[in-house]
Amino acid sequence: DVKVTQSSRYLVKRTGEKVFLECVQDMDHENMFWYRQDPGLGLRLIYFSYDVKMKEKGDIPEGYSVSREKKERFSLILESASTNQTSMYLCASESGGAPTQYFGPGTRLLVL
Amino acid sequence: SQQGEEDPQALSIQEGENATMNCSYKTSINNLQWYRQNSGRGLVHLILIRSNEREKHSGRLRVTLDTSKKSSSLLITASRAADTASYFCATDKYGNKLVFGAGTILRVKS
Repeated sequence: DVKVTQSSRYLVKRTGEKVFLECVQDMDHENMFWYRQDPGLGLRLIYFSYDVKMKEKGDIPEGYSVSREKKERFSLILESASTNQTSMYLCASESGGAPTQYFGPGTRLLVL
Repeated sequence: SQQGEEDPQALSIQEGENATMNCSYKTSINNLQWYRQNSGRGLVHLILIRSNEREKHSGRLRVTLDTSKKSSSLLITASRAADTASYFCATDKYGNKLVFGAGTILRVKS
């Protein structure tokens, strides 16, 4: 069975802290994605990666960076967390040959 | 701007009834997918329909696609309480990037 895991289900951080969100997939997928989900706005793409050490900006990359040192792991970094980054963060992976994405359970981040 | 927009925003039905959700999009697409999200969880892929297909079935799900109207519908027949969830359409035009709508919240009352 396909599995995407995220390091935390819930996270509370203070403004200005550096935050790491980690995502691991066990399907040997080439492509990995980070989204944030806010009520009424659906899912918005932050960054994606189609290979190790490769990254592409999505629609809302400001305030975020990513790292993909290994194929199975894709990390989202908030360099200096701000209250407007309070959100649900979803990681997904996808085989390069098919458009179906497999999602992790999400991390609900609260920035105080 | 969002590519897909679902309608209605929320839907409440009785168990056993059918639920229909609609999705409209703005530009040409390669594929359209529907995903389900249970409360506070990740999304689960339900069904994919290609731009050259008009209808597709999977169990109690029926999806239609009308590329001339840039719209799709998801029908869930004989709904169950376990179908209570948010449903999202997603389109892919720009390679691997999916564009999601804001979703329809479905509540099935038992």
